[in-house]
Amino acid sequence: EIVLTQSPGTLSFSPGERATLSCRASQSVTSSYLAWYQQKPGQAPRLLIYGASSRATGTPDRFSGSGSGTGFSLTISRLEPEDFAVYYCQQYGSSSVTFGGGTKVEIK
Amino acid sequence: EVQLVQSGAEVKKPGESLKISCQASGYRITSYWIAWVRQMPGKGLEWMGIIYPGDSDTRYSPSFQGQVTISADKSIGTAYLQWSTLKASDTAMYYCARFLEWSSPDGFDLWGQGTLVTVSS
Repeated sequence: EIVLTQSPGTLSFSPGERATLSCRASQSVTSSYLAWYQQKPGQAPRLLIYGASSRATGTPDRFSGSGSGTGFSLTISRLEPEDFAVYYCQQYGSSSVTFGGGTKVEIK
Repeated sequence: EVQLVQSGAEVKKPGESLKISCQASGYRITSYWIAWVRQMPGKGLEWMGIIYPGDSDTRYSPSFQGQVTISADKSIGTAYLQWSTLKASDTAMYYCARFLEWSSPDGFDLWGQGTLVTVSS
């Protein structure tokens, strides 16, 4: 089973800043099968990025994904107030799915 | 409207059984897989398993194999998650989510609103 590690668990930023979140895999992940989700308190997760770098419908273009192999990242170019949330990476290859532990992006 | 609608919150006692549901509308359920995801209080997302309602092909996470049963009734566009013997540690929010196919890069693109299961004596 592929283990995804997101660290640190919490990042603090001011609105308008650039944020880069990390997701490391225990073994190589096919780039096509890496996604990022946003979850706000009391809400279901929402797909932001799929295929490592493709924005899902409705995802603002300030969100971008990159990476390959065992290292992936999600970048938010300029944090808006609504972007403070928890972000999860996910891999879905070889008929198995795993999520990272999540990174909370909080207001500094 | 394309959506997944889950059954309502449940309060159960340890040892009881439970079956929760996830109904698809606005799209053909037999064209997508349906996954189940657990979120324990204050914790992250855990993939439990997935079913293809078209032929009931089902895969489980090793962590949940034997602990739950995933099923589907394609005639009514509904997937299910069930427990035969609940434990207090099953207390969590459970989400269903849509997934196109294993060879597609699309991810879990549609989520239900969640079903809160509370197990307490």
